[in-house]
Amino acid sequence: ETGVTQTPRHLVMGMTNKKSLKCEQHLGHNAMYWYKQSAKKPLELMFVYSLEERVENNSVPSRFSPECPNSSHLFLHLHTLQPEDSALYLCASSQGLGGNTEAFFGQGTRLTVV
Amino acid sequence: GQQVMQIPQYQHVQEGEDFTTYCNSSTTLSNIQWYKQRPGGHPVFLIQLVKSGEVKKQKRLTFQFGEAKKNSSLHITATQTTDVGTYFCAGPTDSSYKLIFGSGTRLLVRP
Repeated sequence: ETGVTQTPRHLVMGMTNKKSLKCEQHLGHNAMYWYKQSAKKPLELMFVYSLEERVENNSVPSRFSPECPNSSHLFLHLHTLQPEDSALYLCASSQGLGGNTEAFFGQGTRLTVV
Repeated sequence: GQQVMQIPQYQHVQEGEDFTTYCNSSTTLSNIQWYKQRPGGHPVFLIQLVKSGEVKKQKRLTFQFGEAKKNSSLHITATQTTDVGTYFCAGPTDSSYKLIFGSGTRLLVRP
């Protein structure tokens, strides 16, 4: 139990579907992140939020849309995805922005786009 | 852009053998972090090194930060099957607000 909870754990969606990934942290952290982990690539940072404000958008396609309604919750809205978007999506949080403090990861959502 | 490289990509050892993974950054880092991800799991923080030349130990794991603060290593003595997983190093970007992860070293241990 890391204090960061992601739902769902597994998701299969068609290319025309719309779905959302949810992340909740119970650690009182003020920074939250979305990472993508594919089989043959290192962890890729997608989005960074600090105090509910988006700090970073790493050239992520617009079919991925993040939302951070408060410092404890982070969503990733998905629409019209491609098969190559299939990956493990990891949420993380940290006290302060991530470079100098440890990141706590959720268990991830294994996404399959068919 | 700033890069963090890790070698080897894979290492398959016999239980009881030692294991080392190396991490190299293209730029000087203010700190380096190490994470372990078990198969089917998520990355879990192991340690952070901050000082030049710093060495820290956690039981059979020894972590080292280079003098120039551009490289680091993780050494496991007498591996056990519980050590199986992928080990990632990570360092902050120049702006310090995000971590760049290395590609990871996947450790397999033969019982």
